[in-house]
Amino acid sequence: NAGVTQTPKFQVLKTGQSMTLQCAQDMNHEYMSWYRQDPGMGLRLIHYSVGAGITDQGEVPNGYNVSRSTTEDFPLRLLSAAPSQTSVYFCASSSGNHPNTEAFFGQGTRLTVV
Amino acid sequence: AQKVTQAQTEISVVEKEDVTLDCVYETRDTTYYLFWYKQPPSGELVFLIRRNSFDEQNEISGRYSWNFQKSTSSFNFTITASQVVDSAVYFCALRDYNTDKLIFGTGTRLQVFP
Repeated sequence: NAGVTQTPKFQVLKTGQSMTLQCAQDMNHEYMSWYRQDPGMGLRLIHYSVGAGITDQGEVPNGYNVSRSTTEDFPLRLLSAAPSQTSVYFCASSSGNHPNTEAFFGQGTRLTVV
Repeated sequence: AQKVTQAQTEISVVEKEDVTLDCVYETRDTTYYLFWYKQPPSGELVFLIRRNSFDEQNEISGRYSWNFQKSTSSFNFTITASQVVDSAVYFCALRDYNTDKLIFGTGTRLQVFP
C-alpha cells in the first residue's frame, strides 16, 4: 500500500529557481492539501483541493501554485524560490465522504533555498 | 476563526513519569473533528487518534489516553509511564468539517530521558 507519495525527499534550490514538488495518492481520496512546517509554527496550510479541477488557497499561499487535473495527483509549484520558502513540505489526503477518518501524510520534502 | 493552541512548547520528563500534553481549540462549528499526530525524530507524521464533537468519551489505548471536554474546548493527551521512544513532537489538530482542512497547533516537543 503506497498511500501518499511525495518526491523528492530532499531538494536544494538557488534563489529564483522554480521547481515542482510531486504528490500522489492511491486511495481515491477527494481531498488533498499541502502544508509547510517551520520551527515553532506547526504545520500551515498552503493550498488544498476538494476534488479534481478544484483548488483553493490556504493560510500561506503566496509564492506557490497548485493544480489538480486528476484525483491522484496534486503537485505544488514554486515559481521563483526564495529563502523564506526553506521549509519541510507535507502533502496530505483524506476522504471527504468519510469525515471520521484521518488525513494521511506523505513522508515530507525538506527544501532548502540558498 | 478556528484555532488550536498548544501552550507547552517543550516538556522534559524522566522515563516512567506520566506526562500530559494540553490542547485547546476554538471553533464555531457544531460538528468538528480533533486529532493528535506524533512526529518522531525521523520526521513523518503518525496518526494517533481522532475524536468527533459528538463523542466526549475518553479513550485509552495502552499507555496513551485522551480527555476530550467540550465545556473547556480541550482535548488533552496523557502518556502514562513514559518511555524514551515517546520522544517526539506531538501535534493537536482541528479539522474543518466542510473542507477537510486541518488547523494545527504549534506542537509540543516531548523529551523523555532515561
